[in-house]
Amino acid sequence: DQQVKQNSPSLSVQEGRISILNCDYTNSMFDYFLWYKKYPAEGPTFLISISSIKDKNEDGRFTVFLNKSAKHLSLHIVPSQPGDSAVYFCAASEPMTTDSWGKLQFGAGTQVVVTP
Amino acid sequence: DSGVTQTPKHLITATGQRVTLRCSPRSGDLSVYWYQQSLDQGLQFLIQYYNGEERAKGNILERFSAQQFPDLHSELNLSSLELGDSALYFCASSPRQGRIYGYTFGSGTRLTVV
Repeated sequence: DQQVKQNSPSLSVQEGRISILNCDYTNSMFDYFLWYKKYPAEGPTFLISISSIKDKNEDGRFTVFLNKSAKHLSLHIVPSQPGDSAVYFCAASEPMTTDSWGKLQFGAGTQVVVTP
Repeated sequence: DSGVTQTPKHLITATGQRVTLRCSPRSGDLSVYWYQQSLDQGLQFLIQYYNGEERAKGNILERFSAQQFPDLHSELNLSSLELGDSALYFCASSPRQGRIYGYTFGSGTRLTVV
């Protein structure tokens, strides 16, 4: 049962424009959301996170928006740069409990290609 | 270098065989997680260890097992391998609140079963 879904497998955007990546989730117990970036032949690297008590978190060119009622989050990259070309994974976590221990559940990823 | 070391980087083996994947976590991290990434799939959570003890289990097959040793390194054992087990296997480590600050992933082991 895939509780974190990224329905767009790929996204192509021009350099300098905005990239918007979307993620939906089904588990209302999730209270922390993260985005990871992955280059080929490397492991995913942490990009930005947001708590469910917030609706926006910003870090430089990266902003994550959370809409709890819609169970939807998005990552905005402005402006997009060629080095942003990578696979982006959305991840979510339940609170720390004896069962979940805060493990992360990941979406399938979105391949972003930034063109000159 | 993320600080999480996975060996080997590549592994090719035949169906029915058994392999062991190894992970050394980042210094100071007590939690180790194993994930599987098959073709066109996301990262599927397999299992988590914290300071030597199993803490959470995902969709890990009975043919797979793992452990975390006193020096905190972890091994994932895959046995009776099938073609469908071909995938990238990632190890990640974190401090206890890794879900907030993010995990640190290794570069993965690419397993090919032929």
